[in-house]
Amino acid sequence: GENVEQHPSTLSVQEGDSAVIKCTYSDSASNYFPWYKQELGKGPQLIIDIRSNVGEKKDQRIAVTLNKTAKHFSLHITETQPEDSAVYFCAASRSQFYFGTGTSLTVIP
Amino acid sequence: GAGVSQSPSNKVTEKGKDVELRCDPISGHTALYWYRQSLGQGLEFLIYFQGNSAPDKSGLPSDRFSAERTGGSVSTLTIQRTQQEDSAVYLCASSLTRSSYEQYFGPGTRLTVT
Repeated sequence: GENVEQHPSTLSVQEGDSAVIKCTYSDSASNYFPWYKQELGKGPQLIIDIRSNVGEKKDQRIAVTLNKTAKHFSLHITETQPEDSAVYFCAASRSQFYFGTGTSLTVIP
Repeated sequence: GAGVSQSPSNKVTEKGKDVELRCDPISGHTALYWYRQSLGQGLEFLIYFQGNSAPDKSGLPSDRFSAERTGGSVSTLTIQRTQQEDSAVYLCASSLTRSSYEQYFGPGTRLTVT
């Protein structure tokens, strides 16, 4: 089955700096790669996703890149704000979803 | 519009008791997923329903776990003879169809087995 690894497990950045979270996957048949943000006591919320026929996707301050050959994808958050502090999960899917173990992001004001 | 709702939000039960967790998906969503999230861990797939098709139960950790989806809408996850290792947050998600991919999660049920 699919194996998704996510790094780093924790990340602290100064407000205004950029944050990058990386994931690798093992199943070359995976074709959908979402990113979720989970705040304390809440369920994960989809923030951005990318399909395997696209290399990069942007939505305001967040972007995701996908390298199918290397089987890795990354989340980039620019101009970070304190409200970006949360746990972020990546996932890979071709039918079933396989999630990374999460990155706890802290943005220091 | 209304999102995915789950009840109860918190459940404390004694070891050996049965529990039922409920999920109300977004109206019109045909796909429904259950996940388990242990402290500091990622999401572990449990079971998946798509319309009237037979559910994908491949993630259920033991025969103490079962789930139903009645009328293609509300789903109930049942854990029989609960054990302490069952303590976790149980998350439900729905999507429009299986092929639409985008999943919308409920707030979860935090289960504590004492």
